[in-house]
Amino acid sequence: NAGVTQTPKFRVLKTGQSMTLLCAQDMNHEYMYWYRQDPGMGLRLIHYSVGEGTTAKGEVPDGYNVSRLKKQNFLLGLESAAPSQTSVYFCASTPSMNTEAFFGQGTRLTVV
Amino acid sequence: DAKTTQPTSMDCAEGRAANLPCNHSTISGNEYVYWYRQIHSQGPQYIIHGLKNNETNEMASLIITEDRKSSTLILPHATLRDTAVYYCIVRVAHNQGGKLIFGQGTELSVKP
Repeated sequence: NAGVTQTPKFRVLKTGQSMTLLCAQDMNHEYMYWYRQDPGMGLRLIHYSVGEGTTAKGEVPDGYNVSRLKKQNFLLGLESAAPSQTSVYFCASTPSMNTEAFFGQGTRLTVV
Repeated sequence: DAKTTQPTSMDCAEGRAANLPCNHSTISGNEYVYWYRQIHSQGPQYIIHGLKNNETNEMASLIITEDRKSSTLILPHATLRDTAVYYCIVRVAHNQGGKLIFGQGTELSVKP
């Protein structure tokens, strides 16, 4: 998973707190994605971006916001964290749709 | 978005070929079939992808039926380290963001 870095790797939040997850890639990729994975489930798409300055909603966007001000960074924000947002969050990037997507190692978030 | 159907779990003997099936009957003509795997809670790892033709790389082979409604991932000589959850994914078109939509996956257990 070289090239996609997620920060932080672990975080515990209290209900109502806010935080931002950072995804950074150094491969000049156009497409970036944020997923969440709950125990025993597959990954579900939260938001995605097809280029700098663009964002779009995925399957489960509620409670999250995103920004792509710089091509290499894709930020995922939780404005008011809820226990239902306890999950593992994965970021991915890809240069085009007919090449592989590279995933980060995940951010484990617990909301208490 | 095209959906995929996979068996929930499969077993395979070490050294034998593992054949993982996937149905994607609603796939569109310009949508690719991708396979990823996830070991424990690590980030998903790319295996292989294809559009119409069969594909082979150092990890696996991908066999896509002529009507493209199903495919099979083949791990030719499974090892214990191949124990993982395998995801068959139909990647949506560029004008929909090239999203990778994950299903539940197949949990493959390779046994000695």
